[in-house]
Order: sequence, then structure tokens, then C-alpha cells
Amino acid sequence: KAGVTQTPRYLIKTRGQQVTLSCSPISGHRSVSWYQQTPGQGLQFLFEYFSETQRNKGNFPGRFSGRQFSNSRSEMNVSTLELGDSALYLCASSLGLKATTEAFFGQGTRLTVV
Amino acid sequence: AQSVTQLDSQVPVFEEAPVELRCNYSSSVSVYLFWYVQYPNQGLQLLLKYLSGSTLVKGINGFEAEFNKSQTSFHLRKPSVHISDTAEYFCAVSNAGGTSYGKLTFGQGTILTVHP
Repeated sequence: KAGVTQTPRYLIKTRGQQVTLSCSPISGHRSVSWYQQTPGQGLQFLFEYFSETQRNKGNFPGRFSGRQFSNSRSEMNVSTLELGDSALYLCASSLGLKATTEAFFGQGTRLTVV
Repeated sequence: AQSVTQLDSQVPVFEEAPVELRCNYSSSVSVYLFWYVQYPNQGLQLLLKYLSGSTLVKGINGFEAEFNKSQTSFHLRKPSVHISDTAEYFCAVSNAGGTSYGKLTFGQGTILTVHP
């Protein structure tokens, strides 16, 4: 059974640009969550999508957005990149129950903003 | 709101020694509890979880954790560590009462370094 796949693994972007990251969940999982990991702030929840609908959102500016497709694959987009957006972005897939009982993570996308 | 505190940012230990990584949480509602491990340049791998039932939970790679509701703790233990256990460990919680909708709240992480 394939795990959670995130592409690309590494990205280098310039300030002011935008970026799109992709996440394919485990087959049968309908929920995808996104997290930002930085040395200073640790792991922070961005948002969660289930059946193409955003059900939960963390405390991030509107420059961070996402979407989910009918096959449960998800993308997140960051517009007008800032140096502080440099981070490891992780997605997690789960069954999508109201309470999270298990989440499987991808290997992450390392974004560097220069 | 929920919060998780991992009491040690770094834990050095010698190979074959026992180790305990400490985690305390704060929540006004019931929680589910998790420990994840992260190796360099990798994602998070689930070690174990507590949902209900026995407060002693066994996970992969010989790790176990004990849920203590009165002390709001969920400490991770291993009786004998290996060099390969060197990694960063994260404690996390989710809202068991519903509506957490994919959200895990993480501690700041504990870097475990196993020396030969």
C-alpha cells in the first residue's frame, strides 16, 4: 500500500513569487491536513480538507491557501512569498473522522525562499 | 485550546541505556495522544497512540508510553536504546470529543541522541 506522497521534495523560490505544493494521500483516505515546520515555531497546523471542503483552519495569513480534488489529492499554495515562509511543509492523510485517531505523514516539501 | 509541553529539548544517552522522554499536555476536553518520530529530512512516523483503554501503550521499535490522566502526562520510554533511535520525537494531541478535523497539536520536540 503506497504511503503519502508529496511533490516536489525541494523547492527554491524568490521573495514575492508564489508556490504550489502537492500531496497525494493514502488510498481510501479522504482527509488531508497540512502543517508548517520551522525551527522557531515547530509544527503548526495550516488547514484540513475533506471531500473537497476545508473543514478546519489554523492561524495563518490568507496568503496560505489550499484545495482538494475529487480523488482526494490536495494542493497548497503560498502567494507573495516571504523569507519567513522557508520551512518544511508536511501533509498528513487520515480517514477523516471528526476526531483524529491516526494520521500518516508524507516526507515533506522543503521550501527555501531567497 | 490545547497545548503540549515536552519537558526536555535534548536528551543524550548511551547505547543500551534506558530512556524516558517527557510530555505534558493541557486541555479542557478529552484528548487522544500520540508520539511521532522524525529522522533527518524525513516526515513523521507514528510510534504509538493512546485512544482509550489500558493506560500503558506499546508501539513500534520497542517503545512504550503511559497515559496518566491525573498528571496530564504521556511519557515515552524505551528500556534499551540503539544508535538507530537517534532522532527527534514529538508528542501530539487531538480533540477526542470531535471536531478536531485533522488537527494535531504538537510539542516542540525532543532530540534524542544515542552515543556509542
